[in-house]
Amino acid sequence: EAGVAQSPRYKIIEKRQSVAFWCNPISGHATLYWYQQILGQGPKLLIQFQNNGVVDDSQLPKDRFSAERLKGVDSTLKIQPAKLEDSAVYLCASSLGSDYLNEQFFGPGTRLTVL
Amino acid sequence: AQRVTQPEKLLSVFKGAPVELKCNYSYSGSPELFWYVQYSRQRLQLLLRHISRESIKGFTADLNKGETSFHLKKPFAQEEDSAMYYCALFSGNTPLVFGKGTRLSVIA
Repeated sequence: EAGVAQSPRYKIIEKRQSVAFWCNPISGHATLYWYQQILGQGPKLLIQFQNNGVVDDSQLPKDRFSAERLKGVDSTLKIQPAKLEDSAVYLCASSLGSDYLNEQFFGPGTRLTVL
Repeated sequence: AQRVTQPEKLLSVFKGAPVELKCNYSYSGSPELFWYVQYSRQRLQLLLRHISRESIKGFTADLNKGETSFHLKKPFAQEEDSAMYYCALFSGNTPLVFGKGTRLSVIA
């Protein structure tokens, strides 16, 4: 089966610019996650969707980050405007369900560099 | 708040030597613990979970609630074990809180 797809794989922008990332989860997976992984750190959850509804966005910097999953399938994460500290790898993951019994499958990530 | 601590950023061992990657957690409830691995140029993937109590690729991990630890062990390291290893904790409030990771380097 195809894995989680993400695009673009790399993005370089200047501070104050906008950027958007796209994720297509594994078919049939109801739960979708966006993580931010800063160099030298583990992944940190930004937002979790169950179908097209937000379950947890407590760590999403809502003044500049937004995410949507309108049809309950693919998702976009946007940063507007970007700051230097947003440089990181953005990982998308999906799972059949949201409890701990459901394995999360990760995409390859998008590496963002903000200059 | 939940926290996962991996005290070693880098662990180097010789091929055939035992491996122990340390993981400590803080959580007041009953935790679910996982180990994730990322091989070079590959995606982050689940290695094992404590609830399964199984051995994957020769690795095992035992949850010690008294010491709040979930150390990953393998009796004989192989070169293909070289990777980045992340310990993660699942709780009802915040799914998958990750540690900072430990890079394992197995020297031939």
